[in-house]
Amino acid sequence: SQQGEEDPQALSIQEGENATMNCSYKTSINNLQWYRQNSGRGLVHLILIRSNEREKHSGRLRVTLDTSKKSSSLLITASRAADTASYFCATAFTGTASKLTFGTGTRLQVTL
Amino acid sequence: DGGITQSPKYLFRKEGQNVTLSCEQNLNHDAMYWYRQDPGQGLRLIYYSQIVNDFQKGDIAEGYSVSREKKESFPLTVTSAQKNPTAFYLCASRLSSTDTQYFGPGTRLTVL
Repeated sequence: SQQGEEDPQALSIQEGENATMNCSYKTSINNLQWYRQNSGRGLVHLILIRSNEREKHSGRLRVTLDTSKKSSSLLITASRAADTASYFCATAFTGTASKLTFGTGTRLQVTL
Repeated sequence: DGGITQSPKYLFRKEGQNVTLSCEQNLNHDAMYWYRQDPGQGLRLIYYSQIVNDFQKGDIAEGYSVSREKKESFPLTVTSAQKNPTAFYLCASRLSSTDTQYFGPGTRLTVL
């Protein structure tokens, strides 16, 4: 399947630092979304960026999209212990807008 | 409260038995999805339904079956034909005019 690849697989930072996660994909997309998952729970939608957008902000989150490189990044600024979770990118490919393809995720650990 | 509910939270099954996982939503969403998540992995799409009485296979439909007789309900049956059913199962729904999926809390299935 056309699954996105995320980098790094795991990230450990201290509270107050910024966390950056990257996602790469293979074919043209309609949009790219980021979701968060706390251990053993369902996913929560964070932010969506469309293929004609380059950057989007939501609170402490900043998402960029480079369609020429088929990549996206999620930046969490001033991280908190409560940000500890797994973060997934999900892509909706051109022609299949009703389906999402998820990456393998980045596990973020924020320590005090 | 509006949302998506999945039951049960934990499910144990003996090999050779079929089991049905429940997913209900009161968000009036048109589309519903079933995903499977294995440890340390992303989500893989099993089945999805965009309207009542219609559903499509996802990437890993073999050994699973679904029905969509009501808009608010999308049960998933894990059959004995599924070779490795132990996993975390997530249900999601989406309003057809948007691209964001909303997830339930998940059901953890263990085959003994």
